[in-house]
Amino acid sequence: EAQVTQNPRYLITVTGKKLTVTCSQNMNHEYMSWYRQDPGLGLRQIYYSMNVEVTDKGDVPEGYKVSRKEKRNFPLILESPSPNQTSLYFCASRTGGETQYFGPGTRLLVL
Amino acid sequence: AQSVTQLGSHVSVSEGALVLLRCNYSSSVPPYLFWYVQYPNQGLQLLLKYTSAATLVKGINGFEAEFKKSETSFHLTKPSAHMSDAAEYFCAVSEDGYNKLIFGAGTRLAVHP
Repeated sequence: EAQVTQNPRYLITVTGKKLTVTCSQNMNHEYMSWYRQDPGLGLRQIYYSMNVEVTDKGDVPEGYKVSRKEKRNFPLILESPSPNQTSLYFCASRTGGETQYFGPGTRLLVL
Repeated sequence: AQSVTQLGSHVSVSEGALVLLRCNYSSSVPPYLFWYVQYPNQGLQLLLKYTSAATLVKGINGFEAEFKKSETSFHLTKPSAHMSDAAEYFCAVSEDGYNKLIFGAGTRLAVHP
């Protein structure tokens, strides 16, 4: 089954404790992206990647890092999480002229 | 810069009534436009997309949207609401095709008996 998976789905952490949210797709898509969703703001793009070792900033990259060492994986790294990064995070992937497929979301609470 | 405005953060309709969710965009080039739906505790699912082929776009679950360049609008409609349509709906625009999507704030649709 074609899908985008994210882990964990739910995470509670404390300020400053580094964390990684994983994203994996099994569709051999070149393009992957991370979004955060906040009430009243819709989804905002954090980072995206056009292919392995090619990443670029989206609209709200501050406080986040990404890497793309393998085509199927695109982890989101929060080196020093802060409470304003409490949000719902979505990973997405696509190929060619197709639209984006979204993962199920990761709900993060930073205390 | 691109932007998307969805009028009405909450819309409530009766089952069987017309659904109209409004979306206006700003873009300096002919845009690609999308509507996504998000059911509770799920990711986003594509409803339909406009890519300049036809101004009236039909999507899944009986939804359609009409691109009106003069009004810079891409409103989503469904003739008859069903209880299962209750969800949050997002309009999105992209100038470069599909890479960089700019989303609206979303409209939560409630359907009551």
